[in-house]
Amino acid sequence: LAKTTQPISMDSYEGQEVNITCSHNNIATNDYITWYQQFPSQGPRFIIQGYKTKVTNEVASLFIPADRKSSTLSLPRVSLSDTAVYYCLVGDIRSTDKLIFGTGTRLQVFP
Amino acid sequence: GAVVSQHPSWVICKSGTSVKIECRSLDFQATTMFWYRQFPKQSLMLMATSNEGSKATYEQGVEKDKFLINHASLTLSTLTVTSAHPEDSSFYICSARDVLAGYEQYFGPGTRLTVT
Repeated sequence: LAKTTQPISMDSYEGQEVNITCSHNNIATNDYITWYQQFPSQGPRFIIQGYKTKVTNEVASLFIPADRKSSTLSLPRVSLSDTAVYYCLVGDIRSTDKLIFGTGTRLQVFP
Repeated sequence: GAVVSQHPSWVICKSGTSVKIECRSLDFQATTMFWYRQFPKQSLMLMATSNEGSKATYEQGVEKDKFLINHASLTLSTLTVTSAHPEDSSFYICSARDVLAGYEQYFGPGTRLTVT
């Protein structure tokens, strides 16, 4: 499974757009990129998943450049409730099944 | 989306005793479930892969005789922490994938274990 690198922490203010970048230089052809959100004392929650270009859902967007060696999770207009740890995971989810978590990015949103 | 539950949500036990944690997929069948452990301010660490009807696969460094995993049905996996010690105090999280619904993996709410 490809190793990922994320910033340890980020700060933002309510209403701002937050972009969290994840590096995965060794991503394989069949690997997908998945982002999870985790609040304290809770299990991770799926946010978004993609393979290339751009994916958008009701809570976030995921930008993946052509070389796929990095990806950016974009959270529009964050609120206090978006304060959490965000994990970027890379792997061929159709064959390996297990997910190996990296360090994650601790996002703190201030009023 | 699919739901994974865990029971209990928290447990306190004395050193030397055993504790069982249940993980259930409520509305789907899961041939494979995963167990993670998370210490405060740290990331999730995969402990083992639980396979229905067969032995679990443990990650390197995880004592299989201490962390017993049983996956007796397609909706239930259990993790038993045997002869618990204070250093086993942690947040234990299970996950499962609904293979019929795509590639999203669903996580349980976690179980907080405190060993005194």
